[in-house]
Amino acid sequence: GNSVTQMEGPVTLSEEAFLTINCTYTATGYPSLFWYVQYPGEGLQLLLKATKADDKGSNKGFEATYRKETTSFHLEKGSVQVSDSAVYFCALKRSGGSNYKLTFGKGTLLTVNP
Amino acid sequence: SAVISQKPSRDICQRGTSLTIQCQVDSQVTMMFWYRQQPGQSLTLIATANQGSEATYESGFVIDKFPISRPNLTFSTLTVSNMSPEDSSIYLCSAQGGLLQETQYFGPGTRLLVL
Repeated sequence: GNSVTQMEGPVTLSEEAFLTINCTYTATGYPSLFWYVQYPGEGLQLLLKATKADDKGSNKGFEATYRKETTSFHLEKGSVQVSDSAVYFCALKRSGGSNYKLTFGKGTLLTVNP
Repeated sequence: SAVISQKPSRDICQRGTSLTIQCQVDSQVTMMFWYRQQPGQSLTLIATANQGSEATYESGFVIDKFPISRPNLTFSTLTVSNMSPEDSSIYLCSAQGGLLQETQYFGPGTRLLVL
């Protein structure tokens, strides 16, 4: 079946540090890949997505590239801010037809200190 | 994207009572879903809310405990019945389809504490 494995947290960085959160997946076919972010006390927000191999999703300075050869979708940001402190979830969805279910990773808590 | 709202945003309930959570989307969507997020955990899909028919439940979730309604293409409710402290969680609705296309968007969640 489908699964998503995320880097274990928590991750603590200083402001302006480089961020990488690793995400690898197992799926049949060609899934769509997502990063969602959950700020303290809030619901999930879509951060970025990629729907096919070699696509790069980007938003708010975050980037992730869909790597089919390594089945990965690592999240990166060149310079984090205190306001980026949140839980980050990697997720996949099989494409097409009735394959609408999202499979989530366990989430990675990021804390950015000033 | 879409605006998805949930009511209530949080509640504290007594054991044995029931709570109904409402989810409203600002555009017509094909699919609506209900998830549970237990403290410090990831999201678990409870069920898919089907418009005009019974919801489709995931393994481990049953209609008697989590009855769901979806009377139209923009609204759904989830009831948590006969609550126990183990039901203390965040309950999130999400939506997909229509103007949202194939991406799922989430509501802000309902934080439930059962005493």
